[in-house]
Amino acid sequence: KNEVEQSPQNLTAQEGEFITINCSYSVGISALHWLQQHPGGGIVSLFMLSSGKKKHGRLIATINIQEKHSSLHITASHPRDSAVYICAVHSSKLIFGQGTTLQVKP
Amino acid sequence: GAVVSQHPSRVICKSGTSVKIECRSLDFQATTMFWYRQFPKQSLMLMATSNEGSKATYEQGVEKDKFLINHASLTLSTLTVTSAHPEDSSFYICSANQGLGYEQYFGPGTRLTVT
Repeated sequence: KNEVEQSPQNLTAQEGEFITINCSYSVGISALHWLQQHPGGGIVSLFMLSSGKKKHGRLIATINIQEKHSSLHITASHPRDSAVYICAVHSSKLIFGQGTTLQVKP
Repeated sequence: GAVVSQHPSRVICKSGTSVKIECRSLDFQATTMFWYRQFPKQSLMLMATSNEGSKATYEQGVEKDKFLINHASLTLSTLTVTSAHPEDSSFYICSANQGLGYEQYFGPGTRLTVT
């Protein structure tokens, strides 16, 4: 079993839909990252959080340390949100989830 | 701020040759840089951690003589893939940390193809 599990692996949505991507982990962590990787490969850090909730534009990230679970929400999704979303936890090193491939159709 | 660049973005080389990939922090000093590789449809895997002025720490299973890492300054780390083979073809990504907390800034990646 992977130390960081994401669900779903693939997600297709219609433009405007509310999207949730989940991340569960089994190790002790100092922080959790949500990353976005576009088809070209470059990675953008969306959030780093160790407790509670953060919001940036249409993106919201939450974390429950007791339950070892985090969620990334996208409100009013848009085709340009199509990308791979990666959850990574900072234990002794960064451990990455397998990623969730999101496609938002117009 | 906090921009990390990589060069080249894409490289094709012949089997048996060596390839150097550069990772630069453009507007901050990176006390620690990390090198990852990513195979198609897979997640990133940490290869090594490098601190400026000291030897890199390699993850288990990563050959240090094959993947030479140099972190000679606070803004530059290089990864040299020596005697490259087709199985080394992958996407290599670096990230950098300022030494303030856990934030990491990722480079755009280098796609290596070995023919």
